[in-house]
Amino acid sequence: EVQLWESGGGLVQPGGSLRLSCAGSGFTFSTIAMGWVRLAPGKGLEWVSGLIHSGGTSYYADSVKGRFTISRDTSKNTLYLQMNSLRDEDTAIYYCAKEVSSGWSYFDDWGQGTLVTVSS
Amino acid sequence: DIHMTQSPSSLSASVGDRITITCRASQGITNYLAWVQQKPGKAPKSLIYAASSLQSGVPSRFSGSGSGTDFTLTISSLQPEDFATYYCQQYNSYPYTFGQGTNLEI
Repeated sequence: EVQLWESGGGLVQPGGSLRLSCAGSGFTFSTIAMGWVRLAPGKGLEWVSGLIHSGGTSYYADSVKGRFTISRDTSKNTLYLQMNSLRDEDTAIYYCAKEVSSGWSYFDDWGQGTLVTVSS
Repeated sequence: DIHMTQSPSSLSASVGDRITITCRASQGITNYLAWVQQKPGKAPKSLIYAASSLQSGVPSRFSGSGSGTDFTLTISSLQPEDFATYYCQQYNSYPYTFGQGTNLEI
């Protein structure tokens, strides 16, 4: 059974930083593309970032480009999202999601999410 | 980036109704289209991939169709547990993008 478990959310001031983690089990972590998706209050789902298997290439939404960095530690089966220069509009529940292959594929499993609140 | 437009934004319906949600991509995405369901306080759930293929365990009352730029999600006979928000999502190219969502309510 695939399991994804996010952690690292919390309250942070504008301009601050936070690192989210997503621990995965039940699949071969090193060969699968992973991503982060967020749900802000009163808004819809927004794809934030993705990390494909081949070459470890990363992609970002324009809204977070230059501020967020996605990475993974295959020895720990863990995906990360380093979030810097946080803004009020980054307040959201952040979900990690697993694709079915090494990239350019759909999500088939999701974590339960971790809440990030950016506020002074 | 590919922009996804859903309609309607909200929809009121009753148990047993048949409903259809449409999704349009700003450029052709062949069939690289997924539908995702989300209920308040819950993680998203993937329903359909490749425009028309059901994820394992998804009831057959859900169906999807379309290719290129125009897609639909149909629920043939609404059940109480189907009232939720539905999103289309393209995975033809990064950055992936979602539609704005359709809130399906009783």
